[in-house]
Amino acid sequence: AQKITQTQPGMFVQEKEAVTLDCTYDTSDQSYGLFWYKQPSSGEMIFLIYQGSYDEQNATEGRYSLNFQKARKSANLVISASQLGDSAMYFCAMREGEGAGGTSYGKLTFGQGTILTVHP
Amino acid sequence: DADVTQTPRNRITKTGKRIMLECSQTKGHDRMYWYRQDPGLGLQLIYYSFDVKDINKGEISDGYSVSRQAQAKFSLSLESAIPNQTALYFCATSDPDSNQPQHFGDGTRLSIL
Repeated sequence: AQKITQTQPGMFVQEKEAVTLDCTYDTSDQSYGLFWYKQPSSGEMIFLIYQGSYDEQNATEGRYSLNFQKARKSANLVISASQLGDSAMYFCAMREGEGAGGTSYGKLTFGQGTILTVHP
Repeated sequence: DADVTQTPRNRITKTGKRIMLECSQTKGHDRMYWYRQDPGLGLQLIYYSFDVKDINKGEISDGYSVSRQAQAKFSLSLESAIPNQTALYFCATSDPDSNQPQHFGDGTRLSIL
């Protein structure tokens, strides 16, 4: 069963507007972390933002914020004031809790990504 | 200098050849990972390592092997490359703290003809 679902293959936004990229997840762990990465056309993976399952407040990092709804198992990325340089692929990823003896090893499970295009 | 360095950055080779992709890191992390990304898709875990004596298979380990030569070095080998292994390969490292992200190398674009 897919653990991370990104239902939007592609999104378009006008420059300076806000955009929300959707991410839902599935886990039975109580302790987990959610990450968003940006992958520009050059290919590198750039970490954007992190949300822990026990964090009471939504994470924010500059123009990025994470709309975390634990009961709905969603962790949507909000980009405010979009810029042309935001055009890229965006991945949601989950790291499930450390089991006994640290067996999860911090592995990430990735969604299939959303391609964001920012129009001038 | 990059914290996680992958070599080569690009490689074109022929079916049946043995290929080694190398990864070295200066972050001092014990945990290292190899991922594969097919065009237009997310990353899939090939192998991961907790320390130099610990190697584990990921979701798609068939056709691959790894070697953890030192804490800082983790190599991925394709013993006999086939065209459907054409992909972008990433090495990553992480700190044990759960709130820390994985740090990725810049990737190796591998094409198998």
